[in-house]
Amino acid sequence: GQSLEQPSEVTAVEGAIVQINCTYQTSGFYGLSWYQQHDGGAPTFLSYNGLDGLEETGRFSSFLSRSDSYGYLLLQELQMKDSASYFCAVSDDSNYQLIWGAGTKLIIKP
Amino acid sequence: EAQVTQNPRYLITVTGKKLTVTCSQNMNHEYMSWYRQDPGLGLRQIYYSMNVEVTDKGDVPEGYKVSRKEKRNFPLILESPSPNQTSLYFCASSLSQGGNYGYTFGSGTRLTVV
Repeated sequence: GQSLEQPSEVTAVEGAIVQINCTYQTSGFYGLSWYQQHDGGAPTFLSYNGLDGLEETGRFSSFLSRSDSYGYLLLQELQMKDSASYFCAVSDDSNYQLIWGAGTKLIIKP
Repeated sequence: EAQVTQNPRYLITVTGKKLTVTCSQNMNHEYMSWYRQDPGLGLRQIYYSMNVEVTDKGDVPEGYKVSRKEKRNFPLILESPSPNQTSLYFCASSLSQGGNYGYTFGSGTRLTVV
């Protein structure tokens, strides 16, 4: 079967750095995406990794290791507004549809 | 403003009463998709469309229908809603289905079937 695993909840302190991991088991692989969703809101696209390595976008970075079937989202200089759920999603190379993880709730404390 | 517009935002209906949730995008995206989101389960794909008149089943298509007669619109139809279809529904669109361009989501429709 196809599955993605990410922690259900992560707690961090304002101003700190936090890493949210995602491991996947899929029959094929095209890319790994990350989305942010605030309570009551819609998911918003953060990043995409198709190749191994680190992609940086401002305070957010995303990493992929295809050989380890593993990726992570790194959030730096945490702000209270970063409190949200974060989803990883893998697109496989058969039909290119996204397979979603169950999401990680990030709780930020002052 | 580039966006995906879903209507209605909230809907309470009774079992068996047909309903349609509309979705429209103004970005000329070829790819559109419907998801349902339930607590602890993430997003599950219902149906998707790669272009006009081209639709396909996702992971949980039972009890749903879609159509794509125009590029911008992708309505979700529940012919005979049941309580297990109570959920939060999202429509999304993208330049391509692979995820590399990112999906743009609508604001969501919270459906309750009693």
